[in-house]
Parts: sequence; structure tokens; C-alpha cells
Amino acid sequence: AQTVTQSQPEMSVQEAETVTLSCTYDTSESNYYLFWYKQPPSRQMILVIRQEAYKQQNATENRFSVNFQKAAKSFSLKISDSQLGDTAMYFCALNSLPQGAQKLVFGQGTRLTINP
Amino acid sequence: DVKVTQSSRYLVKRTGEKVFLECVQDMDHENMFWYRQDPGLGLRLIYFSYDVKMKEKGDIPEGYSVSREKKERFSLILESASTNQTSMYLCASSLGFREQQFFGPGTRLTVL
Repeated sequence: AQTVTQSQPEMSVQEAETVTLSCTYDTSESNYYLFWYKQPPSRQMILVIRQEAYKQQNATENRFSVNFQKAAKSFSLKISDSQLGDTAMYFCALNSLPQGAQKLVFGQGTRLTINP
Repeated sequence: DVKVTQSSRYLVKRTGEKVFLECVQDMDHENMFWYRQDPGLGLRLIYFSYDVKMKEKGDIPEGYSVSREKKERFSLILESASTNQTSMYLCASSLGFREQQFFGPGTRLTVL
């Protein structure tokens, strides 16, 4: 079975600080995709970053980067120079092929607050 | 930009009522999904569809059904609403299963 675990229900940092959100997962497949989604308050969920498991290089998108540790089954999200607009729920998700090919499995979410 | 819309942002229904939640996407995506979001549980998949008139059960299909008569529209039906179905319902669509999903704004359903 596929599982995703986010062990930090809530986090809070000051604006401009760097923050790292943790995610661990479990799958027996070697080919899979990992995602971080962001859900701002009262707004739609959007993709932050996507990582393909067979790519060793960590994905980056501007201030957002991941630390993908395949052996440890860890996929943490680092937000650099945090901004007030980064305040949101963050969800880690796994799509594991061919098992569960048709669906994403989400973690419980981390509520991140950026304080001015 | 991909746009996924849901028929209502807030909905209040009575126990036993039949409830329809509508979702429309405008990007010709093959795949559409219905999730429910509950605090501490993340998103859980109710049903998904990979083509018109095709549907597959997700992790928590009990008490729900779906309909996809047109490619752009995916409906979630609560045949007889119960209080434990009070939740946030999110619709999503994607071009492929390995691709990102685009989400609607959500419908917060309260069943009294």
C-alpha cells in the first residue's frame, strides 16, 4: 500500500526565514512521482513542485526546493526567503506506478503560517 | 489557464436529502477526481473518472456515486446525505495520471 506521512501538523516562522516541511512516504514501486501542493486560506489548491523518482536531481521552483532522499523515502520541501503569501496548508502527495496508477495519495497536511 | 469550477462554495442540506455537487473543467482533461478534505486526514479520494461514462472507486466510495456524461463535467451524488458527510469536497482534473492535478475551489457541505 502507498502511504504518505506529514509529521508536522503546524509550523510558524518569521517572514524572510527559511522553513522546511517534512514528508515521508512508503511504496514498493521503483517508479513514482511526488508532489507538493499548496492550499492558501479560502483559495484553490495549486501545485508547488513535482519530482520524478528516477531523477536524482532535486526539483526547484524559484524559492521552493525539495530534498528527495529516495533510500530514506523522504521528500521535504524547503521554502527560502519566506513571504506572507506562503501562508497556507501544504500537502505532500505520491503517485506510485503501476500500483495505484490512477490516484494520488495525500499526506495529512502541514499548516504553515508566515508571521510579519 | 486551466479552470476547474464547482457549482457551490457552501451548501447546507438535511439528513436524508439527495445532494448533487457539480464540477466543470475547461481544458479537455481526460481525468477527473472527487476528494473530501477533513482536518488531520488530508485529502481522500472518493471516485475518479478517466473517460466519459467511466468511473472507478477511490478509497472512500461508500455513500457516494458519480456521473460523467460529458468530458468536461463530473458530478458527485450523495444519495441520502448523512451528518458524517459534512466535509469540504474538492474536484480536480488532470491531463494524465502522472501530471499535476488542477483543483476547484471546493464545496463546504454541511449536513444537519
